Amino acid sequence: DAKTTQPPSMDCAEGRAANLPCNHSTISGNEYVYWYRQIHSQGPQYIIHGLKNNETNEMASLIITEDRKSSTLILPHATLRDTAVYYCIVRGEGNAGNMLTFGGGTRLMVKP
Amino acid sequence: NAGVMQNPRHLVRRRGQEARLRCSPMKGHSHVYWYRQLPEEGLKFMVYLQKENIIDESGMPKERFSAEFPKEGPSILRIQQVVRGDSAAYFCASSPGTSGGTQYFGPGTRLLVL
Repeated sequence: DAKTTQPPSMDCAEGRAANLPCNHSTISGNEYVYWYRQIHSQGPQYIIHGLKNNETNEMASLIITEDRKSSTLILPHATLRDTAVYYCIVRGEGNAGNMLTFGGGTRLMVKP
Repeated sequence: NAGVMQNPRHLVRRRGQEARLRCSPMKGHSHVYWYRQLPEEGLKFMVYLQKENIIDESGMPKERFSAEFPKEGPSILRIQQVVRGDSAAYFCASSPGTSGGTQYFGPGTRLLVL
């Protein structure tokens, strides 16, 4: 699976949009971009994933650049409960997608 | 619609004892994955199982660790003769019956070896 690069930490004001970047310059054509978050040692929580089109669900939006070398997770109105470590993961489908490879992630601190 | 369930949530063992961690996947999910998170570190893949089969155990330590997912009942991660270095959070995830599907995680079991 392709390697991802994320900033180690970010701050965001409560109520504002949080934009979390991820670089995945070696992503291949059949690899998806997944986002998970881990709130204070709880189990990782699935947020969203996409292949090449932008995606939106009730939690967040995922913007993938046209060349697919980077993406941005957007939390439109961050709350204190969004404080967590956010992981950007690139994985294939089929047998190549058996495991999730977690990097260091971005520690997002939402401040009042 | 219950999520992935793990028990116990906390487990304390003395060195040399055995630890058995259980994972019940989400309803309709037939794929189970185990991950370990050492203190202050990221999650690391251990093993991937389907019913009655180990598909990928590339992340499992070669000794003392074993996993199973029987036809009936939960998946079990078993650690024999635990050592202090086994102290960690162990997370289970499950996905539907298509390889590579989205994985959903349980709350984890925190193992402390005294």
